[in-house]
Amino acid sequence: SQQGEEDPQALSIQEGENATMNCSYKTSINNLQWYRQNSGRGLVHLILIRSNEREKHSGRLRVTLDTSKKSSSLLITASRAADTASYFCAPKPSKVFGKGTKLTVNP
Amino acid sequence: DAGVIQSPRHEVTEMGQEVTLRCKPISGHNSLFWYRQTMMRGLELLIYFNNNVPIDDSGMPEDRFSAKMPNASFSTLKIQPSEPRDSAVYFCASSSDPAGVRHEQFFGPGTRLTVL
Repeated sequence: SQQGEEDPQALSIQEGENATMNCSYKTSINNLQWYRQNSGRGLVHLILIRSNEREKHSGRLRVTLDTSKKSSSLLITASRAADTASYFCAPKPSKVFGKGTKLTVNP
Repeated sequence: DAGVIQSPRHEVTEMGQEVTLRCKPISGHNSLFWYRQTMMRGLELLIYFNNNVPIDDSGMPEDRFSAKMPNASFSTLKIQPSEPRDSAVYFCASSSDPAGVRHEQFFGPGTRLTVL
């Protein structure tokens, strides 16, 4: 089954800046989910956007979905050092994950 | 709720030994997933169960790996015999929907396995 491909592979920014990560996938989806993984921990679900939605917000997170381009983006506004983690997208119904984007937020 | 529970958290063993990893899913969840994560291959799905029945085990690397789910609250992943290339972090995840599609997956803290 397909997995999402995150881009870029790594991103380094300063605290307070915005971070944008992208996800591309290949087949039709039911929904698309974003997860975060802190070093040495399990994945934690951040947000789910359904296939008929175009944008969704949750706190400092903003997710967009373009099903015509088979792509999604995750924007973290006003980043903090605690946002340092790897971020994965999961285009459902796939149960597999890509390599993720490793975000480093420098204080 | 305590979340997904995995044990042990760390395991160091010697090549050829049997290793058993354990997982307790969130109560009420009917799907359970085993993943393996390495730097080289990323996060790989090994097997997933729905209502205690293995649905897709195509990700299980070889016959040395086996997984069971004897009841709704317990699953094991066994490696016999273990090899150094099995060294990885093994995650268990559970979900309230049959394939983890419509609802989120909840991941455990992982078991870090080192095979010497």
